[in-house]
Amino acid sequence: EVQLVESGGGLVQPGASLKLSCVASGFTFSDYWMSWVRQTPGKTMEWIGDIKYDGSYTNYAPSLKNRFTISRDNAKSTLYLQMSNVRSEDTATYYCILNYPGIPFAYWGQGTLVTVSS
Amino acid sequence: DIQLTQSPSSMSASLGDRVSLTCQSSQGIGNYLSWYQHKPGKPPKPMIYYATNLADGVPSRFSGSRSGSDYSLTISSLESEDTAIYYCLQYDEYPLTFGSGTKLEIK
Repeated sequence: EVQLVESGGGLVQPGASLKLSCVASGFTFSDYWMSWVRQTPGKTMEWIGDIKYDGSYTNYAPSLKNRFTISRDNAKSTLYLQMSNVRSEDTATYYCILNYPGIPFAYWGQGTLVTVSS
Repeated sequence: DIQLTQSPSSMSASLGDRVSLTCQSSQGIGNYLSWYQHKPGKPPKPMIYYATNLADGVPSRFSGSRSGSDYSLTISSLESEDTAIYYCLQYDEYPLTFGSGTKLEIK
């Protein structure tokens, strides 16, 4: 059974940095592209970016690429999202996602809530 | 960026009704469109991919179709468990983009 478990969310002050993690199990992590998506309190869904199975290539939403970095550790079956200089508009639930070939966003984690506030 | 316009933004329908939700693309995306169902407290669930293909485990009352740049998710006979927000996603080109969602409720 595919499982994606995010962690690292919480209350963070504006301007701070935060690193989210997603531990994967139930599939061969190193075989698949992975993605991050967030949902704002107003229910807007936003694609953040994705990373190739070997970590050699990433894509980002243009509005986030200067502050967010996606990485992975295939030995640990773990996906990461490094967030820097966070702003109030980064308040959202962040989802870790497994992509199957031809089936985008096939499996989603339960999400981790990030709240940016002073 | 490709914009997806979903309509209506919200709707309510009766049990057993045939319901269609629409997603219109600002540019050609072929069939690279998928649909997701999101219920409170749960992660989004894939329903349709490549415009018309049913995802694993999705009931056959759901279907997807395309007419030009208009895409539809249809529920042939609405059930109470179908209450949710439905989002479309285009994955034809980066950046991937979502529609704003349609909130579906039962009358």
